[in-house]
Amino acid sequence: EAQVTQNPRYLITVTGKKLTVTCSQNMNHEYMSWYRQDPGLGLRQIYYSMNVEVTDKGDVPEGYKVSRKEKRNFPLILESPSPNQTSLYFCASSSSRELNSYNEQFFGPGTRLTVL
Amino acid sequence: AQRVTQPEKLLSVFKGAPVELKCNYSYSGSPELFWYVQYSRQRLQLLLRHISRESIKGFTADLNKGETSFHLKKPFAQEEDSAMYYCALGVRAGGTSYGKLTFGQGTILTVHP
Repeated sequence: EAQVTQNPRYLITVTGKKLTVTCSQNMNHEYMSWYRQDPGLGLRQIYYSMNVEVTDKGDVPEGYKVSRKEKRNFPLILESPSPNQTSLYFCASSSSRELNSYNEQFFGPGTRLTVL
Repeated sequence: AQRVTQPEKLLSVFKGAPVELKCNYSYSGSPELFWYVQYSRQRLQLLLRHISRESIKGFTADLNKGETSFHLKKPFAQEEDSAMYYCALGVRAGGTSYGKLTFGQGTILTVHP
């Protein structure tokens, strides 16, 4: 089944304890992206990757890191989490078969993170 | 910088009534606009994109560059349309930030029986 998976789905942690949220897709998509969803603010893009070893900042990259060493994986790293990073995080992927255009993004199920 | 505004957080209509979810954007270049929908207990999914000019589940949206709007419309709402709707803006290649997608704050649509 074609899908985007995220792990863990739920995580409670404490301030300053490094964590990684994994994202994997099995659709051979070039484009992957991370978003956070907060009440009243909607979805905000954190980082995106156009292809392996190509990443760029979205609208709210502060406090996050990403890497794209393999096409299928796009982990989100919080080196020193803080309470304001408590949020619902979504990973998404899409193909780039059409040049210079945005194809449909397929979203993961979300990871609910609480930083105490 | 690009921006998307959905002025209504909540929108309630009765079944069979017309519905319009508003979306305004600001971007000086050539935008790509989308509507994504999240039904209860389901993943966020694409509803439609302005390039396709298609109607999905009875919904349509027209890009109005003069008014910088991309409102989502349906002439007769159904209960199964109840969901969270997001408008999203992407920058066309040639801009300085291709790949960056900006979403609005979302509108929760409730269709009452």
